[in-house]
Amino acid sequence: AQSVTQLGSHVSVSEGALVLLRCNYSSSVPPYLFWYVQYPNQGLQLLLKYTTGATLVKGINGFEAEFKKSETSFHLTKPSAHMSDAAEYFCAVRVQGAQKLVFGQGTRLTINP
Amino acid sequence: DTAVSQTPKYLVTQMGNDKSIKCEQNLGHDTMYWYKQDSKKFLKIMFSYNNKELIINETVPNRFSPKSPDKAHLNLHINSLELGDSAVYFCATGLAGGRYNEQFFGPGTRLTVL
Repeated sequence: AQSVTQLGSHVSVSEGALVLLRCNYSSSVPPYLFWYVQYPNQGLQLLLKYTTGATLVKGINGFEAEFKKSETSFHLTKPSAHMSDAAEYFCAVRVQGAQKLVFGQGTRLTINP
Repeated sequence: DTAVSQTPKYLVTQMGNDKSIKCEQNLGHDTMYWYKQDSKKFLKIMFSYNNKELIINETVPNRFSPKSPDKAHLNLHINSLELGDSAVYFCATGLAGGRYNEQFFGPGTRLTVL
């Protein structure tokens, strides 16, 4: 069965600093991988997804993620944090043929002025 | 136009009551989902409907009964509410035949059981 582990339930960075949110997945078949963002009191919004092809995926709001099969990772990065990036971030996995997404436990990103 | 809408946004009720949450989507998707997000923000799927047919039921207590009157609507009825049912419930939609099945989420319904 597929699963997702997000390392670090809380990450804090300074405004302008690099953002790195870690996600490792477990899947016996090639996965589809997603990052979602949840702003306070709102629903989840898709940031980016990896399906096939290029392993470096660009998303909205300047975020990108790299799929590394050898490391079973899909870490999310942004070169320069902005105050508006403060939110909860979820990594999710889906395997071909499965109807459901399996989510990691989430990482809360705090941006310090 | 809101793609996935839920009503109500907030629901406060007493233990033992019965309540419903409604979800509507205008994306033309054929699959709809209910997720529960607990106080630690953990998201877990509860149900999935495809073309009004139940396809996923993740061992949810039978006090929870989803109903899909048509492809654009998926409602969640909860009987005999318990304290542990307090959570945020999210509706989501997607395309079962879609290659990647990314899902689109509603704004959530915060249920508080007193």
